[in-house]
Amino acid sequence: NAGVTQTPKFRVLKTGQSMTLLCAQDMNHEYMYWYRQDPGMGLRLIHYSVGEGTTAKGEVPDGYNVSRLKKQNFLLGLESAAPSQTSVYFCASSYSMAGRNNEQFFGPGTRLTVL
Amino acid sequence: GNSVTQMEGPVTLSEEAFLTINCTYTATGYPSLFWYVQYPGEGLQLLLKATKADDKGSNKGFEATYRKETTSFHLEKGSVQVSDSAVYFCALNSYSGTYKYIFGTGTRLKVLA
Repeated sequence: NAGVTQTPKFRVLKTGQSMTLLCAQDMNHEYMYWYRQDPGMGLRLIHYSVGEGTTAKGEVPDGYNVSRLKKQNFLLGLESAAPSQTSVYFCASSYSMAGRNNEQFFGPGTRLTVL
Repeated sequence: GNSVTQMEGPVTLSEEAFLTINCTYTATGYPSLFWYVQYPGEGLQLLLKATKADDKGSNKGFEATYRKETTSFHLEKGSVQVSDSAVYFCALNSYSGTYKYIFGTGTRLKVLA
């Protein structure tokens, strides 16, 4: 099992450009999440999904859109990149949000720089 | 609101030293508590978890006990190795209308040979 994979690993954008980050998981998890990690701020939730075809806003959703057309994939889009979106982006998935199997499994991250 | 507070790093120790990384939380109800570890250039990996009061999570020589009376979940290891050098995140999952995961800011550990 590959677990959670992310594409691409690195990307440099110019202000105003758009891009899509792809996350895929092979654990048949219902729940998927997108986080950003910035120095001294821990992980902040951008958007999440509780199942195929659903999405919901997290703590810092502005400037991002997401889609979950297939259960195994969760896409994060930046329509018009800004320097403030320079960060490391992590995708995660979990079997549940409640109960015993609520731990999250993380991908390796995408390092994005917006110039 | 819910929150996680963990000690600021970096923490620098010699090999075989005893490790404690403090974590306290604020949450309604009965949250699940987690420690994640992040090695350089990688994503977070679950290190251990506890789902109810007085539970002890353990893995790879690391331990943490869910203390509801002190709202703490301190991470300990009796003898650290150079390979334990990483960033450690304390986190919780609690219900307040919806389930939310809250992460601490991370503590960097450096172990010297």
